[in-house]
Amino acid sequence: KQEVTQIPAALSVPEGENLVLNCSFTDSAIYNLQWFRQDPGKGLTSLLLIQSSQREQTSGRLNASLDKSSGRSTLYIAASQPGDSATYLCATYNNNDMRFGAGTRLTVKP
Amino acid sequence: EAGVAQSPRYKIIEKRQSVAFWCNPISGHATLYWYQQILGQGPKLLIQFQNNGVVDDSQLPKDRFSAERLKGVDSTLKIQPAKLEDSAVYLCASSLRGGGAGEKLFFGSGTQLSVL
Repeated sequence: KQEVTQIPAALSVPEGENLVLNCSFTDSAIYNLQWFRQDPGKGLTSLLLIQSSQREQTSGRLNASLDKSSGRSTLYIAASQPGDSATYLCATYNNNDMRFGAGTRLTVKP
Repeated sequence: EAGVAQSPRYKIIEKRQSVAFWCNPISGHATLYWYQQILGQGPKLLIQFQNNGVVDDSQLPKDRFSAERLKGVDSTLKIQPAKLEDSAVYLCASSLRGGGAGEKLFFGSGTQLSVL
């Protein structure tokens, strides 16, 4: 049974810093991995989707990498802004089964 | 393009009462999902529909939870009777195809349920 872990649970950084969020999973047999953003009281917004055959995906200031063999993914946020404050969740997908981590709550201080 | 619509946004009930949530997915999306998100945890899938058929309901507590998707569009999720541990945010999501495609999911804003 796939288990997805995100450490740390919370992170606070000053505005302008580059930062990395971590996601690890126990079963490397995944079809893809998604990173989501969740604002308080809102649903999840898909940020990046990395297929198992890919190593990374980029969108604006966001870059997600995937290393299936080690069961790890990272989300890199460049030049962080207060508007990036939210909870970031990763989720693996395989055999019609999507498993979420508990998320990292990011606070970017002005 | 309209997103996934959910109602109500908030619901407070007492234990043993019943409650229903409604979801309208993005137009044309074949697959609809209901997730339960307990505070501090990631979402957990309760049930997945493809069109109006159930694909996966293995984690749905069927003694108290039920869901239907009429005509392959709107869906309702019902809890009867509610327990304290059902307090959570109930998220509805949809995707274009589903069925193992591993595509992007689009989420609604959720219904926050408090059971007292």
